[in-house]
Amino acid sequence: IVLTQSPGTLSLSPGERATLSCRASQSVTSNYLGWYQQQPGQAPRLLIYGASSRATGIPDRFSGSGSGTDFSLTISRVEPEDFAVYYCQQYGNLPRTFGQGTKVEIK
Amino acid sequence: EVQLAESGGGLVQPGGSLRLSCAASGLTFSTYWMSWVRQGPGTGLEWVANIKPDGSEKYYVDSVEGRFTISRDNAKNSLYLQMNSLRAEDTAVYYCARDISVFDHWGQGALVTVSS
Repeated sequence: IVLTQSPGTLSLSPGERATLSCRASQSVTSNYLGWYQQQPGQAPRLLIYGASSRATGIPDRFSGSGSGTDFSLTISRVEPEDFAVYYCQQYGNLPRTFGQGTKVEIK
Repeated sequence: EVQLAESGGGLVQPGGSLRLSCAASGLTFSTYWMSWVRQGPGTGLEWVANIKPDGSEKYYVDSVEGRFTISRDNAKNSLYLQMNSLRAEDTAVYYCARDISVFDHWGQGALVTVSS
């Protein structure tokens, strides 16, 4: 399954709302879709699993939604520490696949 | 606290071999699937392989099938990736990760550079 993320880069000011998109080339089984955040030089961190469930310790400003082939990650109010690259990943089929990433940068 | 620590990365010539290790602590290692995920320079993430808790099932991405072998030693709480016939396109940071279908814990990564 090919995952296509958009936009490639999102330029925002702190406090603004961020909406990231992830589109799958075919339906994702049981909405088995996750989202990760990666800061420069660090390993990815799991944010969302099952399309909409927050991982342990993830602030509630992060939310996931969607089903089938269209999914989104929303950050309600972007904090300074949220500027990073975000990846979606499907785990309904092997091989597990990731999107190419969306960079959220400071405007 | 779950901790995963990779080792064994380095510079290798095309066609060469390298073995990565991942030492796990803070979890009951023998009960979890484990995966290797890699990230090429300036590029995104690619799942490479995973292994069942007892080692009886292993799965690979097509691009490494037949060249890489994932294994584990539950007595040593360790995960391994034997990489043979390495190519320039295998150059990446290799992460080990706990695999609960999503990857909820990651190591810091080991850099593998394939170049002459």
